[in-house]
Amino acid sequence: ETGVTQTPRHLVMGMTNKKSLKCEQHLGHNAMYWYKQSAKKPLELMFVYNFKEQTENNSVPSRFSPECPNSSHLFLHLHTLQPEDSALYLCASSQEGGVGDTQYFGPGTRLTVL
Amino acid sequence: GESVGLHLPTLSVQEGDNSIINCAYSNSASDYFIWYKQESGKGPQFIIDIRSNMDKRQGQRVTVLLNKTVKHLSLQIAATQPGDSAVYFCAERTRDNYGQNFVFGPGTRLSVLP
Repeated sequence: ETGVTQTPRHLVMGMTNKKSLKCEQHLGHNAMYWYKQSAKKPLELMFVYNFKEQTENNSVPSRFSPECPNSSHLFLHLHTLQPEDSALYLCASSQEGGVGDTQYFGPGTRLTVL
Repeated sequence: GESVGLHLPTLSVQEGDNSIINCAYSNSASDYFIWYKQESGKGPQFIIDIRSNMDKRQGQRVTVLLNKTVKHLSLQIAATQPGDSAVYFCAERTRDNYGQNFVFGPGTRLSVLP
């Protein structure tokens, strides 16, 4: 039990679908992260939220839309994705998002875009 | 077309031997480094970290060495066990006026032989 849960664990969607990934952390942390891990590239940071405020958006296409309603929950809304967006999407949380701040990862959502 | 995945270097070690996994990082301004372990079907798990003002840090059975001169990071695992089999990757952290950024290495697959 890592304290960070993600749902669904697996998702298959068409390019015209709209879906959302959910992340919940039970660690009392204030920073949450979305990462993309694909077969072709190393782990890539997508978004960072500190105290519910988005502090990082690493040039992610607008077809990915994050939402952080509170410090415990993080969503990634998906729409009109492309097949190359197929990847493992990982959520992580940390205490405050600062240096020396350990990130705890969830198990990920394996996304396949047809 | 054929999907080309990320080619991960593989390190095979005998159970009970010591393992050394290496990582070259890219940014001399990086101030914080982390080693993660990722087992099949799971999210990355924090192993050990080190700040740029240190050159060595020890944990339980693991040691991280940092050589800033050549931008090299290594993870040493003592008395390697079958449960250590996983992909290990390093991450470097930089900060600028816009926030922080983590860059992850592609990883090394550690295989422990009985």
